[in-house]
Amino acid sequence: DQQVKQNSPSLSVQEGRISILNCDYTNSMFDYFLWYKKYPAEGPTFLISISSIKDKNEDGRFTVFLNKSAKHLSLHIVPSQPGDSAVYFCAASEGTSGSRLTFGEGTQLTVNP
Amino acid sequence: NAGVMQNPRHLVRRRGQEARLRCSPMKGHSHVYWYRQLPEEGLKFMVYLQKENIIDESGMPKERFSAEFPKEGPSILRIQQVVRGDSAAYFCASSPGLAIGEQFFGPGTRLTVL
Repeated sequence: DQQVKQNSPSLSVQEGRISILNCDYTNSMFDYFLWYKKYPAEGPTFLISISSIKDKNEDGRFTVFLNKSAKHLSLHIVPSQPGDSAVYFCAASEGTSGSRLTFGEGTQLTVNP
Repeated sequence: NAGVMQNPRHLVRRRGQEARLRCSPMKGHSHVYWYRQLPEEGLKFMVYLQKENIIDESGMPKERFSAEFPKEGPSILRIQQVVRGDSAAYFCASSPGLAIGEQFFGPGTRLTVL
């Protein structure tokens, strides 16, 4: 049972344009969501998170949007840079401190110069 | 740099041998999590530990796998009698154990079972 799904295995965008990565979840108990970026042969690196009490969180070029009614979140990267090319994972947790993360399958983002 | 440290980075074992993976959390972090990433898949939770306690092991296979986080020293993930299906990247993450927050990941150990 895949509780967090990233339906696009890959995404290709031009440098300077917007990258939009999508994520859907099924578990209504999830109330904290995170995006991680991963390069080959490295561990995931935390990018940005959002609590379910918000619908938007912004950090520099990265913005995460949460639509609770649709159980959908998205990560926007503006402007996209070649160094952003990596696999992006969406993750979710239930509200208690120290709870485990449930990950999506990942989306490979390629930003072309 | 006081990031999460894992060793070894690469581990090769023959079927039936034991694999021991180590994780030192970030300084000041008391919560450790282990995840496994099979080829072409996302990360899957295995176990969550605090010092000397297993808090949640619902993701651990019922046999051959065990984990500990002793009072002193790193957290250890132990796989006994490895099989080819255990070949994967094993990631450790740590968190400070405060309110909801991100987990910080180590570089992973890539286990290959021959």
